[in-house]
Amino acid sequence: KNQVEQSPQSLIILEGKNCTLQCNYTVSPFSNLRWYKQDTGRGPVSLTIMTFSENTKSNGRYTATLDADTKQSSLHITASQLSDSASYICVVIPISYNTDKLIFGTGTRLQVFP
Amino acid sequence: ETGVTQTPRHLVMGMTNKKSLKCEQHLGHNAMYWYKQSAKKPLELMFVYSLEERVENNSVPSRFSPECPNSSHLFLHLHTLQPEDSALYLCASSQGERETPDTQYFGPGTRLTVL
Repeated sequence: KNQVEQSPQSLIILEGKNCTLQCNYTVSPFSNLRWYKQDTGRGPVSLTIMTFSENTKSNGRYTATLDADTKQSSLHITASQLSDSASYICVVIPISYNTDKLIFGTGTRLQVFP
Repeated sequence: ETGVTQTPRHLVMGMTNKKSLKCEQHLGHNAMYWYKQSAKKPLELMFVYSLEERVENNSVPSRFSPECPNSSHLFLHLHTLQPEDSALYLCASSQGERETPDTQYFGPGTRLTVL
């Protein structure tokens, strides 16, 4: 069982709609939690970084939340655009904080249709 | 662009071939990484180099051989691969700092197909 589980595996929405992606993790304690966006044929790009003490972090239309008690994070996308079609990966960094110990989720594949 | 480039972007090779993947970072970072990304699986860390020295090797088969001649360049030499090695190979770099969030910047990847 992965230490970082994401849901749904895939999601289709219409342009302009909002959506929320979920990340459940068992890594504890952890240093920070990140959301990455990966366009098809490209490497992941960092969207948000939250430390264990932060509850929310925004980056434009992307808002990430973190509930350390329930070990859940979500990524909310507002007013989706066609360019939001990508995979979104949740990454947790354990408290020992070796950069080589990033724990990746399997990602949510989002498709935005006009 | 993230400042990390990879070549080639696509590679098809037979099981008896020898090929190399190249990664270059233009960010002045001290750490570089190779990841393997297979369908429906999390990214798998393969190798980590910090200041040109290998600091992590997550039990990768010897048919994958990394080389880091300097802090800006990283290679992955491939020989006698198996079809299950077909995947997207991603290179990343970071400052290598351990006291603050150390963001990794990824290259576009090399899509490898082993026939």
